[in-house]
Amino acid sequence: EVQLQQSGAELGKPGTSVKLSCKVSGYNIRNTYMHWVNQRPGKGLEWIGRIDPANGNTIYAEKFKSKATLTADTSSNTAYMQLSQLKSDDTAIYFCATGYFDYWGQGVMVTVSS
Amino acid sequence: DIQMTQSPSFLSASVGDRVTINCKASQNINKYLDWYQQKHGEAPKLLIYNTNNLQTGIPSRFSGSGSGTDYTLTISSLQPEDVATYFCLQHSSRWTFGGGTKLELK
Repeated sequence: EVQLQQSGAELGKPGTSVKLSCKVSGYNIRNTYMHWVNQRPGKGLEWIGRIDPANGNTIYAEKFKSKATLTADTSSNTAYMQLSQLKSDDTAIYFCATGYFDYWGQGVMVTVSS
Repeated sequence: DIQMTQSPSFLSASVGDRVTINCKASQNINKYLDWYQQKHGEAPKLLIYNTNNLQTGIPSRFSGSGSGTDYTLTISSLQPEDVATYFCLQHSSRWTFGGGTKLELK
């Protein structure tokens, strides 16, 4: 069974960074893309970007190019997303998902507050 | 970037009703369109991929159709457990979600 386990909720101050993790079990992430998606409170889904863990190649949505950095560690079968220069507008639930969006993590709440 | 316009934003229907939700792309997406269901407090779940392919384990009352820029998700007979928000996702050029349709029981 494929499972994506995300790290716990984060509380970050404006201007700081947070790094989220997404550990995959039951599937080798070398064989898929890993996507990240956010959902602001009461809003819809927004694609942030994806990484090909086999070679580290990344693609970002334009608005997240300077906000998010995607990495992956194939030895631990884990994908990561770092969010930098946090602002209140970054407060959201962040999901990871496999290449065809067929498996999703449970989501992690990131709250930006001073 | 491809924009996805989803309608309606809110939908109220009765058990047994036929329900349709629409997504319109800003350009031809060649049937690279998926549908997701998200229940409150949960991650989205894939229902249909590439316009009309039912994901394993999804009830047959869900179906999808469309081509070019216009796509539809149909629930043939609404059940209480179908109360959720539904999203479309194009993956013809990068990835873009529709704005969502919140489906409630009348």
